[in-house]
Amino acid sequence: QKEVEQDPGPLSVPEGAIVSLNCTYSNSAFQYFMWYRQYSRKGPELLMYTYSSGNKEDGRFTAQVDKSSKYISLFIRDSQPSDSATYLCAMTRSGAGSYQLTFGKGTKLSVIP
Amino acid sequence: DAGVTQSPTHLIKTRGQQVTLRCSPKSGHDTVSWYQQALGQGPQFIFQYYEEEERQRGNFPDRFSGHQFPNYSSELNVNALLLGDSALYLCASSYGQGGEKLFFGSGTQLSVL
Repeated sequence: QKEVEQDPGPLSVPEGAIVSLNCTYSNSAFQYFMWYRQYSRKGPELLMYTYSSGNKEDGRFTAQVDKSSKYISLFIRDSQPSDSATYLCAMTRSGAGSYQLTFGKGTKLSVIP
Repeated sequence: DAGVTQSPTHLIKTRGQQVTLRCSPKSGHDTVSWYQQALGQGPQFIFQYYEEEERQRGNFPDRFSGHQFPNYSSELNVNALLLGDSALYLCASSYGQGGEKLFFGSGTQLSVL
């Protein structure tokens, strides 16, 4: 079993839809959870960063972490064509193990005008 | 303010050759991490450099080596290239030893023929 599982999609939604992206993980030591957006031929861009369980909102984006279920989500409200990209979840431990991020495979999202 | 810059953007090599990739971190950052991203996969951690020393290493063979210079820039060297080394190589910078908030460059696309 991989440490981080993410459905690669592709996921296609109409403009204005609410998008839900998810990852599950197996390592209970993970404490920091991130979502990155990666456009084609570009490096990943940090979208959301959360510590431990709970919700975090930033504009149209909401990140949720449920450590008891080892499940994290990213919601995108009022999706736009410019949101079309690959979304990567990533996570790491605290302390000495926090030097490296473990990524999911990424979910490719297309928002259709 | 320049972000993370990587060079070259594209590179074609043949099996058995050696390659050097370069990275300049974001202004104010002192830590550089290297990741390998195969097609359709999430980035995988290679190693991290802090204070000119390798702090942690992922599951990569000794053919992969690196260096960090006093100005915080970094090089990734790969010897005895294999076809399977073909990937996007991403450099990420951060401040301090924690790996949570990484800023990525656009990467170097390496093709091994």
